[in-house]
Parts: sequence; C-alpha cells; structure tokens
Amino acid sequence: AQSVTQLGSHVSVSEGALVLLRCNYSSSVPPYLFWYVQYPNQGLQLLLKYTTGATLVKGINGFEAEFKKSETSFHLTKPSAHMSDAAEYFCAVSESGSNYKLTFGKGTLLTVNP
Amino acid sequence: SAVISQKPSRDICQRGTSLTIQCQVDSQVTMMFWYRQQPGQSLTLIATANQGSEATYESGFVIDKFPISRPNLTFSTLTVSNMSPEDSSIYLCSVGGTTDYGYTFGSGTRLTVV
Repeated sequence: AQSVTQLGSHVSVSEGALVLLRCNYSSSVPPYLFWYVQYPNQGLQLLLKYTTGATLVKGINGFEAEFKKSETSFHLTKPSAHMSDAAEYFCAVSESGSNYKLTFGKGTLLTVNP
Repeated sequence: SAVISQKPSRDICQRGTSLTIQCQVDSQVTMMFWYRQQPGQSLTLIATANQGSEATYESGFVIDKFPISRPNLTFSTLTVSNMSPEDSSIYLCSVGGTTDYGYTFGSGTRLTVV
C-alpha cells in the first residue's frame, strides 16, 4: 500500500531564505508524486507533479522538487521564500493501478517571517 | 486543466439533517473523487464516483452515510446524511486519472454541524 510521510508539521523561514519541505513515500510500484498548496480557507492547488521522465520537476511560483528513487523522497524546495508562500503544503502519492487514488501526507504548515 | 465548480462553499447544519454537495466540471472526466479534510488534518479519500455504476468507497466510509451520485461525466454529488458534529469538515471533489487534468480539486465545502 502507498503512504506518505512529511517530516515536520511546521516549518518557519525568513523571507528570502531557502524553503525545504520534506516528503518520503512508500510505494510498491513506480509512483506518481504531487505537491499541493492550500491557502487559508481555500481548496488545493497543484504546485507540481512527477509521473515519468525528468526527476527534477519545476512547478508554479518558483517551486521545484526532485524525485529520488533511492531515497524514496520527493522534497519540495524554493530558493527564496516570499511572504505569499505562507500556506499548508501537502505531498501526495498515487500508484498506477490504484485507480489514480491519491494518498496524502499530514501536511506541513509553512510560515514566512519578515 | 479542468475547472471545477463546487457548491455550496460553506454551510452550517443542524445535527440529524443531510446536506448534498455538488461538483460540476467544465469538461468530461473519467474519474471523480470525494475527499474529507477534518479540522487541522490531511485529506482522506471517501470514495471514487463512477459514472453509470455505484461509487467505490474506502475503508471506514459507507454508502448509507455518504451516498454519491454520478449521473454523467461532468457532474457528481455527495450527500452527508444524518449529520453529527463529528462530520464538521471540509469536503472536496477532485478529478484526475489523466495527465491533462493533473488531479484538480474544487474549492471545497466547509461544513459545520451544530
């Protein structure tokens, strides 16, 4: 069965600092991996996804993530945090053959300090 | 990607009553999903809405409590029946299963049961 672990329920960075949100997954088959962002009182917005091909994936708002099979990781990074990045971030995994169901991590709340 | 219209956006309901949430997609999609996000928690899949057949429910969710309809390829409803305060959550619909759609989410329905 697929599962996702997000290390750190709360990450706090200064504006302009590097953002690193950690995600490790468990999957018995090659996974599809996703990062979503949820702003307060809003739905989920897809930041980026990995399905096949290049392991470094670039998303919206300057975020990127790298799929590392050997480490079963898909960490999300952004070189320079902006105040508007403050939100909840969810990592999710889907397995081919699972009817495309998404399994989510518990989420990481990112706060950006001025 | 697909555009999803979900309504109502929020509601406050009396315990023992039922609420039907609607999800309309601007194009035909194969897979539609319903998720629940309890306060401060991650998302949990309730069921997969199948067009022309009964929904497929995840462990811990039953049809009597969460009946789902999927009359066509652009529309689905989720009903939360005989509500109790424990049903207070955000309910989200999602479409996916193709790379074109990338697992798009509706804006969610914030339900409070009093």
